[in-house]
Amino acid sequence: NAGVMQNPRHLVRRRGQEARLRCSPMKGHSHVYWYRQLPEEGLKFMVYLQKENIIDESGMPKERFSAEFPKEGPSILRIQQVVRGDSAAYFCASSPRQNSGNTIYFGEGSWLTVV
Amino acid sequence: RKEVEQDPGPFNVPEGATVAFNCTYSNSASQSFFWYRQDCRKEPKLLMSVYSSGNEDGRFTAQLNRASQYISLLIRDSKLSDSATYLCVVNNDYKLSFGAGTTVTVRA
Repeated sequence: NAGVMQNPRHLVRRRGQEARLRCSPMKGHSHVYWYRQLPEEGLKFMVYLQKENIIDESGMPKERFSAEFPKEGPSILRIQQVVRGDSAAYFCASSPRQNSGNTIYFGEGSWLTVV
Repeated sequence: RKEVEQDPGPFNVPEGATVAFNCTYSNSASQSFFWYRQDCRKEPKLLMSVYSSGNEDGRFTAQLNRASQYISLLIRDSKLSDSATYLCVVNNDYKLSFGAGTTVTVRA
């Protein structure tokens, strides 16, 4: 029962380093979404990708953040030159087609701590 | 203004009690509505969809009021295992907007 797989589950980075978070969608799912949850806040949409395409990155910070979903391999969320404010839980989700609300499945999340 | 606003609680109730809470959303064009459950340091999990006609799933009852733009959740006969944070979620196209959550603690 392979759900959405995220790794690493926990990541500690020093300020200025890079963080790479990986997400393998559920089998048969070609749509991937990244959400960020800051402490004491709700999840916030970051980016929506299909294989090799960024569909909507309106929730991504303008600098230092990028996402990709290559033809082969997992989706990657990359954060360059991390700052303390990037400390959060990053959740990946996938769906078999464009999400209509209840067709989306979340991974267990990657917890980033910037020290 | 936040897209989805929830009373953070916490609601601390004894086993067997009924607890109810709601949320409001700002976008009147929102298309679908859900309650999710999130346990501490876990991913959010879909609890139930919410419809204007109201719907039940076991001990859980959800209601949507489109005119007032609020969504409610009622839990009857609370169990210890119901202790969690309940997230009000609104869908617009493919984007989910989450409330910050309402924390419920059920005590023995």
